[in-house]
Amino acid sequence: GQQVMQIPQYQHVQEGEDFTTYCNSSTTLSNIQWYKQRPGGHPVFLIQLVKSGEVKKQKRLTFQFGEAKKNSSLHITATQTTDVGTYFCAATAYSGAGSYQLTFGKGTKLSVIP
Amino acid sequence: KAGVTQTPRYLIKTRGQQVTLSCSPISGHRSVSWYQQTPGQGLQFLFEYFSETQRNKGNFPGRFSGRQFSNSRSEMNVSTLELGDSALYLCASSLRWGNEQFFGPGTRLTVL
Repeated sequence: GQQVMQIPQYQHVQEGEDFTTYCNSSTTLSNIQWYKQRPGGHPVFLIQLVKSGEVKKQKRLTFQFGEAKKNSSLHITATQTTDVGTYFCAATAYSGAGSYQLTFGKGTKLSVIP
Repeated sequence: KAGVTQTPRYLIKTRGQQVTLSCSPISGHRSVSWYQQTPGQGLQFLFEYFSETQRNKGNFPGRFSGRQFSNSRSEMNVSTLELGDSALYLCASSLRWGNEQFFGPGTRLTVL
């Protein structure tokens, strides 16, 4: 079955430092989505990447989809305390017989020290 | 627009019992997906329904089942509960599979 590895599991940064989380799949993906979950909250959609080599930016956040569509990254520039939370990738891959499998990474928990 | 709602928010059951959770998607959304979230396994996809049909399925045993009604509301049922079923169960709705998903607040299930 599809496996999605997300690293690192935890990241502690000083406010103002950059942060990156990586997502790697064992299979070629149809698309990848990124979500943020604040402590005690539910996942909130950030972005979806579909095309090979795609790069999208949202203010201080930069999302990349690998050329082979097997990996993705989320980079935050100059972290702020409001960035605290767990960031998940959600990878969709065709699993045959007309259906798709969606697999979430285990998430990267970001702590920002003021 | 009202968000995704889930009921109940908290539930305590004992081993062997069954449970039914409910999810009301955002108006106009026809795709409803269910997830199990635990500290150890993270977020795991259970299944997705669209227009009352289960179209995509994760790797969970048959004790986990669901259905969707004509108004897109969905229910998830877990039979013969086990201790390991204790988790936060999240429902998410979207216009269609693969689109941006909007998550509900979840149902916290505790199995004793």
